[in-house]
Amino acid sequence: QVQLVESGGGLVKPGGSLRLSCAASGFTFSDYYMSWIRQAPGKGLEWVSYISSSGSTIYYADSVKGRFTISRDNAKNSLYLQMNSLRAEDTAVYYCARVQYSYGYGPDYWGQGTLVTVSS
Amino acid sequence: QSVLTQPPSASGTPGQRVTISCSGSSSNIGSNTVNWYQQLPGTAPKLLIYSNNQRPSGVPDRFSGSKSGTSASLAISGLQSEDEADYYCAAWDDSLNGYYVFGTGTKVTVL
Repeated sequence: QVQLVESGGGLVKPGGSLRLSCAASGFTFSDYYMSWIRQAPGKGLEWVSYISSSGSTIYYADSVKGRFTISRDNAKNSLYLQMNSLRAEDTAVYYCARVQYSYGYGPDYWGQGTLVTVSS
Repeated sequence: QSVLTQPPSASGTPGQRVTISCSGSSSNIGSNTVNWYQQLPGTAPKLLIYSNNQRPSGVPDRFSGSKSGTSASLAISGLQSEDEADYYCAAWDDSLNGYYVFGTGTKVTVL
């Protein structure tokens, strides 16, 4: 079955950096677009970034553009999110999600999430 | 970047029908497919409806979705206690460079 397992979250100071990872299994990773989505404590869902199956097409939310970088390693079945210049408002649970192009780029499977806390 | 507008809350007694609206614009719902997600307390979101009105395998048929113009809706018929959760609509938005937009979320309470 499809499994997505995030790691790399933790406590970081404002202005610091963090790299999230997502290990995928149960499907052919290289066939699918992937996405990162976040949820601040007690708030709704916010789409962060999306990467095509080959990595050639990437989109970012305006709120993270220029600070976050999404990437993937199809040989390792892994998705990454490099987060730089972190701000307090980046505090959230970050979910890795598989994207179905035929669902209008909608995520169909989600990981359990990893918590990122930006605080001094 | 905009969001899709949903009512913050909805409620019903067991067995009742509850409907959640989702309002967007021509650049998102008006031109792209709508998906709905259910988030039970303390868990990750789960895909509930895709492509406006399709249910993934395993989703009960008491959940249904529809879309008209720049709005969409999710209906839960025969409400059950385990349906108490947050529900989000979502769609791709073609404006700017393109992005995926979620609704503001609706908390469904089973009375």
